[in-house]
Amino acid sequence: NAGVTQTPKFQVLKTGQSMTLQCAQDMNHNSMYWYRQDPGMGLRLIYYSASEGTTDKGEVPNGYNVSRLNKREFSLRLESAAPSQTSVYFCASSESGGIKAQYFGPGTRLTVL
Amino acid sequence: QKEVEQNSGPLSVPEGAIASLNCTYSDRGSQSFFWYRQYSGKSPELIMSIYSNGDKEDGRFTAQLNKASQYVSLLIRDSQPSDSATYLCAVNRGGGGNKLTFGTGTQLKVEL
Repeated sequence: NAGVTQTPKFQVLKTGQSMTLQCAQDMNHNSMYWYRQDPGMGLRLIYYSASEGTTDKGEVPNGYNVSRLNKREFSLRLESAAPSQTSVYFCASSESGGIKAQYFGPGTRLTVL
Repeated sequence: QKEVEQNSGPLSVPEGAIASLNCTYSDRGSQSFFWYRQYSGKSPELIMSIYSNGDKEDGRFTAQLNKASQYVSLLIRDSQPSDSATYLCAVNRGGGGNKLTFGTGTQLKVEL
């Protein structure tokens, strides 16, 4: 099993450009999450999807949109990138039904110039 | 007050010693607690979870939870240079969605 995979691994954008970060998991998990990690700020939840067909805002949703394409895939879209969105983005997944540990993908390092 | 607080470190311990990492949380209703290890440039990796007061042991790792005092700790026995990493404390505050709130992490350095 590959676990949680993310593409791309690195990306450089110019201010105002758009892009979509892809995430897929093969663990048959119902729940998926998008985080960003910045120095001194820790991991912060952007959006999550408790189950296929549902999405909810996390702590820092502004400037982002998500799509839960199917049970396996959860994408994060930046419509108009800003330098403040320079960060490392992690996707995670977990089982549903109570409190479950989350398992992380390898991350995408995004730089917005 | 931050929801989950950790000393950023670095915490330096000699090889073979016990490393003690601490985490405090503000929400008394928090239900479950997780420790993740993150090597530089890599993603967080789950080490342990703990839900009940007391100790939980897994190999060289022991998690300790004290809900009355609102702290959770991670002990690493016989520390090895390969344990050098940042350790993240994560708290599930309940309320649905299985959402975690992370501390900023403690950097551990195990010295030869």
